Amino acid sequence: DAKTTQPNSMESNEEEPVHLPCNHSTISGTDYIHWYRQLPSQGPEYVIHGLTSNVNNRMASLAIAEDRKSSTLILHRATLRDAAVYYCIRSYGKLTFGQGTILTVHP
Amino acid sequence: DTGVSQDPRHKITKRGQNVTFRCDPISEHNRLYWYRQTLGQGPEFLTYFQNEAQLEKSRLLSDRFSAERPKGSFSTLEIQRTEQGDSAMYLCASSPLGWGQGYEQYFGPGTRLTVT
Repeated sequence: DAKTTQPNSMESNEEEPVHLPCNHSTISGTDYIHWYRQLPSQGPEYVIHGLTSNVNNRMASLAIAEDRKSSTLILHRATLRDAAVYYCIRSYGKLTFGQGTILTVHP
Repeated sequence: DTGVSQDPRHKITKRGQNVTFRCDPISEHNRLYWYRQTLGQGPEFLTYFQNEAQLEKSRLLSDRFSAERPKGSFSTLEIQRTEQGDSAMYLCASSPLGWGQGYEQYFGPGTRLTVT
């Protein structure tokens, strides 16, 4: 039970922003929200994580709803290399992956 | 820092044989995780270590599976009497130990097991 809900797939054009949504309505107070991505034939790659406040790093931004029941991963300018499966995970320690969102980026 | 490494990258074995995989985590990372991923699915947690102690095992980890992390450094995952259903990508990840649980995990490239 991944306990998060994501769209199966999304599409974007290169150099446009991408907003990847995630619902985690049963999240507990100690769960962090993690985002990982996975390219074909590679291990997952950490993207970003947060607890309550919005977070920014060099790869992306994470916007967390005030009630923490949903979050959005923001890629500010998509590139072809961002095409991957994106996993939203609520976690305290081990990661429980769901199906993720397949992001397609068009040139 | 060369990242998490796994060996071998690919393994083909016949049903009933034993196989062993190795994971070398990022140095000084106290936590080490094993996951399994089948085609089209997200990775599934198998077990994790904090230093040399195995702290949690998934119900997916049947009696045929055993993992060790001697001296808190590298780890091995052994599968005895392999079955075709064991065919999957076996992923290892490591993370530092710190306050709370909000630390990122760094994954290795995985070992792809094919049981014929």
